[in-house]
Amino acid sequence: GQQVMQIPQYQHVQEGEDFTTYCNSSTTLSNIQWYKQRPGGHPVFLIQLVKSGEVKKQKRLTFQFGEAKKNSSLHITATQTTDVGTYFCAGLKGAGSYQLTFGKGTKLSVIP
Amino acid sequence: DGGITQSPKYLFRKEGQNVTLSCEQNLNHDAMYWYRQDPGQGLRLIYYSQIVNDFQKGDIAEGYSVSREKKESFPLTVTSAQKNPTAFYLCASSISGQANQPQHFGDGTRLSIL
Repeated sequence: GQQVMQIPQYQHVQEGEDFTTYCNSSTTLSNIQWYKQRPGGHPVFLIQLVKSGEVKKQKRLTFQFGEAKKNSSLHITATQTTDVGTYFCAGLKGAGSYQLTFGKGTKLSVIP
Repeated sequence: DGGITQSPKYLFRKEGQNVTLSCEQNLNHDAMYWYRQDPGQGLRLIYYSQIVNDFQKGDIAEGYSVSREKKESFPLTVTSAQKNPTAFYLCASSISGQANQPQHFGDGTRLSIL
């Protein structure tokens, strides 16, 4: 079945440094969603990418969807302590399916 | 204020006991989901329901059961057949069962075995 791999599993950065997490699928995705989970909290939807090569920005966050729609990335510029949390990508599981397959997430720590 | 309410926040289960986790939403969403989250494992789908009176197994349904008698409610029962139930359980909903819809999550229930 479809798998969604996410790397790195952990990332520690100094405040002000950039951060990137990568998501790769074994099969073509029809769309990909990104979620953020703060420590002790629940996942919160950030964005959805649908088109091949799509790039979307939310302030310091830049989301990309690969040309082949098999990979995606989330880049944070100049991290802040408020960026701390675990970032998950989630892709559609197979053609005609209604299930999202989540990656294992990247846990971001920001050192002040 | 619309949202998803999960209760209880913490739950303890004795060996051989069934327990039921509550999930209620007032977002008027058709689809609801149950996920299990273990450290370093991400979210794994247990069951999902696209519409009232209908539900499907997810990737790890063994040892769990659900019902969807009302649009607002999607309770999850962790049965004694689930041998490793200690985990963080998250309920979610979306406007429809289409996978291009964002999912909204509750605050979760943390289940532990006594």
